[in-house]
Amino acid sequence: EVQLVESGGGLVQPGGSLRLSCAASGFTFSNYWMHWVRQVPGKGLVWVSRINSDGSTTTYADSVKGRFTISRDNAKNTLYLQMNSLRAEDTAVYFCARRSRSNEPYYFDYWGQGTRVTVSS
Amino acid sequence: DIQMTQSPSSLSASVGDRVTITCRASQSIHTYLNWYQQKPGKAPKLLIYAASSLQSGVPSRFSGSGSGTDFTVTISSLQPEDFATYYCQQSYSTPWTFGQGTKVEIK
Repeated sequence: EVQLVESGGGLVQPGGSLRLSCAASGFTFSNYWMHWVRQVPGKGLVWVSRINSDGSTTTYADSVKGRFTISRDNAKNTLYLQMNSLRAEDTAVYFCARRSRSNEPYYFDYWGQGTRVTVSS
Repeated sequence: DIQMTQSPSSLSASVGDRVTITCRASQSIHTYLNWYQQKPGKAPKLLIYAASSLQSGVPSRFSGSGSGTDFTVTISSLQPEDFATYYCQQSYSTPWTFGQGTKVEIK
């Protein structure tokens, strides 16, 4: 059974840092591109970042570029999101999601349950 | 960035009703369009991918159609478990973008 379990969320002051983790199981993690998507409670879904299967290629939303870093450890089956210089507007639930492996068009076929990040003084 | 606009933003319907939600892209995305269902406090769940392909395990009362800029998802006979928020999402180009969501409520 495919499972994605996020952790690392919490309360952090503006300007602070946090590292989110997403532990994957039930599939060959190193074969899949992975993404982070966030959602302000009560609002819509917003794509944050993606990383290719071997970690050599990353892409970011403009709103987080230069502040967030996506990475992965395929030996540990874990995806990460290092978040620096956090702002109040980064407050959200952060989901990791697996991108389908089939030919295009791609889609998110599995999601984690999310981890909540609150940026507040 | 490609803008995705859903309509309506919310709707009230009864069990057994036929429900259609529309999603419009700001430019052609061919069939790079996916639909997700989200219930409160839960992760989104994939319903339809590539505009019209039903994800494994999703009931056949869900269907999707469209190409280019205009897409729809239809629930042929609304069931109690279908009351949720539905999102469209394009995977044609980064940043992948979502519609604002359509909340389906009980009438």
